Amino acid sequence: DSGVTQTPKHLITATGQRVTLRCSPRSGDLSVYWYQQSLDQGLQFLIQYYNGEERAKGNILERFSAQQFPDLHSELNLSSLELGDSALYFCASSLVGDTQYFGPGTRLTVL
Amino acid sequence: QKEVEQDPGPLSVPEGAIVSLNCTYSNSAFQYFMWYRQYSRKGPELLMYTYSSGNKEDGRFTAQVDKSSKYISLFIRDSQPSDSATYLCAMKTGGADGLTFGKGTHLIIQP
Repeated sequence: DSGVTQTPKHLITATGQRVTLRCSPRSGDLSVYWYQQSLDQGLQFLIQYYNGEERAKGNILERFSAQQFPDLHSELNLSSLELGDSALYFCASSLVGDTQYFGPGTRLTVL
Repeated sequence: QKEVEQDPGPLSVPEGAIVSLNCTYSNSAFQYFMWYRQYSRKGPELLMYTYSSGNKEDGRFTAQVDKSSKYISLFIRDSQPSDSATYLCAMKTGGADGLTFGKGTHLIIQP
């Protein structure tokens, strides 16, 4: 158990809908990272927050957004969902940026 | 050309064998190198972390980084059936950034 928690474990929704994924980092970690894992693209970095502020952006679509709250938990919002957004979404946290610990993931299915 | 290349396998070896997993990369700015293990539908688990070139050993695992060749390796000694998983190499630059992953190698240890 990495100490990173993610909810929900599974999410099934329809195209065009909006969902919110939640992540709680390990105790003491200030950075939260979001990744998307699909069969064709592999694990891809989406976005990083550090102590409430956006720190780095990766391959995040404009339909996706994230935030980190004062208690350091983070939410990833996915809107106008498409079939191709079906994937595993992972959150990772770190105290020092190079050592990231991953949560169990949220499996999103868009029908 | 992808930034990180990794043979997807599957790689099947008998129990007790030495396993060699490899990645090549093209971005000379990568400074931090990691290996993660991922069981089916689970979050990636950090196995090894190295900074710059050199070797690092932890139990049955040895990580090697050769920055001049842009090549990293993970060796697993005395392989066990429980080592059967997908092994992902990951890299990071020195700045604010997420991890860049290889596609992963599916490893099967035959009892």
